[in-house]
Amino acid sequence: GEDVEQSLFLSVREGDSSVINCTYTDSSSTYLYWYKQEPGAGLQLLTYIFSNMDMKQDQRLTVLLNKKDKHLSLRIADTQTGDSAIYFCAERVSGNTPLVFGKGTRLSVIA
Amino acid sequence: GAVVSQHPSWVICKSGTSVKIECRSLDFQATTMFWYRQFPKQSLMLMATSNEGSKATYEQGVEKDKFLINHASLTLSTLTVTSAHPEDSSFYICSARVRHPSGANVLTFGAGSRLTVL
Repeated sequence: GEDVEQSLFLSVREGDSSVINCTYTDSSSTYLYWYKQEPGAGLQLLTYIFSNMDMKQDQRLTVLLNKKDKHLSLRIADTQTGDSAIYFCAERVSGNTPLVFGKGTRLSVIA
Repeated sequence: GAVVSQHPSWVICKSGTSVKIECRSLDFQATTMFWYRQFPKQSLMLMATSNEGSKATYEQGVEKDKFLINHASLTLSTLTVTSAHPEDSSFYICSARVRHPSGANVLTFGAGSRLTVL
């Protein structure tokens, strides 16, 4: 079955790096995604990684994928107060199946 | 880029009335849209998959007569909460699948609709 797990809360100081972790159960996942949700808003795609990749970097964001352990992480370098939000990890098993979301990690950035 | 517009963003209604939420793809066609419900503890629950020109596919436990979905055109899907009750109060979010410039299929989300039933 499909299940995506994330820790619910993370608190970091401004300027530090944030690492948000996610585990998934379906080894046939093709794509894994990170979405960001600010208060009262919808979800915004941050980045995604294809299952045959180990790492993807996009400016301050680094995604690491350990397929053997079914572990995905999102690292935000030089975290800013504007990064405070809920971050959702999601997996897609095949092209036509809906995404399976984790419960989201609420990131709080302390000035 | 692809934009999904959701309306209304906020609605209050009396118990027993029906509320319609619209989801539009503004600059692309969406044969499939997804409706999610977000609970106070953050979790996002897929309610149904809306298919243009055919019946929606509902997830287990979601009452199709309670949450009516209509996808009458390639740019519009609607969710109607019928005979709303306070327990239907929630944040409803729609999304559509689009092709990212890199070639991957990603979901683009609307801004959500906050429903409060009194």
